[in-house]
Amino acid sequence: DAGVIQSPRHEVTEMGQEVTLRCKPISGHDYLFWYRQTMMRGLELLIYFNNNVPIDDSGMPEDRFSAKMPNASFSTLKIQPSEPRDSAVYFCASSPGVGAAPNYGYTFGSGTRLTVV
Amino acid sequence: GQSLEQPSEVTAVEGAIVQINCTYQTSGFYGLSWYQQHDGGAPTFLSYNALDGLEETGRFSSFLSRSDSYGYLLLQELQMKDSASYFCAVRDLRNAGNMLTFGGGTRLMVKP
Repeated sequence: DAGVIQSPRHEVTEMGQEVTLRCKPISGHDYLFWYRQTMMRGLELLIYFNNNVPIDDSGMPEDRFSAKMPNASFSTLKIQPSEPRDSAVYFCASSPGVGAAPNYGYTFGSGTRLTVV
Repeated sequence: GQSLEQPSEVTAVEGAIVQINCTYQTSGFYGLSWYQQHDGGAPTFLSYNALDGLEETGRFSSFLSRSDSYGYLLLQELQMKDSASYFCAVRDLRNAGNMLTFGGGTRLMVKP
């Protein structure tokens, strides 16, 4: 398995522009998570999906952020309009879920480093 | 809510043993995980403890005491490549235990 695949690896955009981050989870994993990592706030959960359905989006900072999972193999995180404070590394992770994994480990993608100028 | 406390930085020398502690407050605890993250990389899973006691995987071991809401990661025979950030994370009753809440991470620096 190729693991969790994220694109792009790096994104530099101007304030006000729309940014779309993409994620392909591991096949067969029922759970997909979007995290944001900054020095100040550490790893924050933004939203997660179970079987393509958003379950908890309480971590989404504001209405400028939206996430979708149209099918089991693809998810997007969109920021519109982007602001400099959105600069961070955004990770996607997938997991087979409580009932399936002996160790409940998440597999993280390589992340997207977003810089908003 | 949930909270996790771990030291922000630890320094040790090559070949030594280091222990990274994690205390947590949560409701309906399921288990404690540890992740390693090298600079510029993604967090990778190291271990998971659901029951009290020590779990050993090669040079790394993880310990849990549910009654003390405490766990630690023990790294033995330290190597330079072990320099990284280490995160503890709890699974709890929120969303039937399918979510992880991460601590702030401990940056381990291994010196020659």
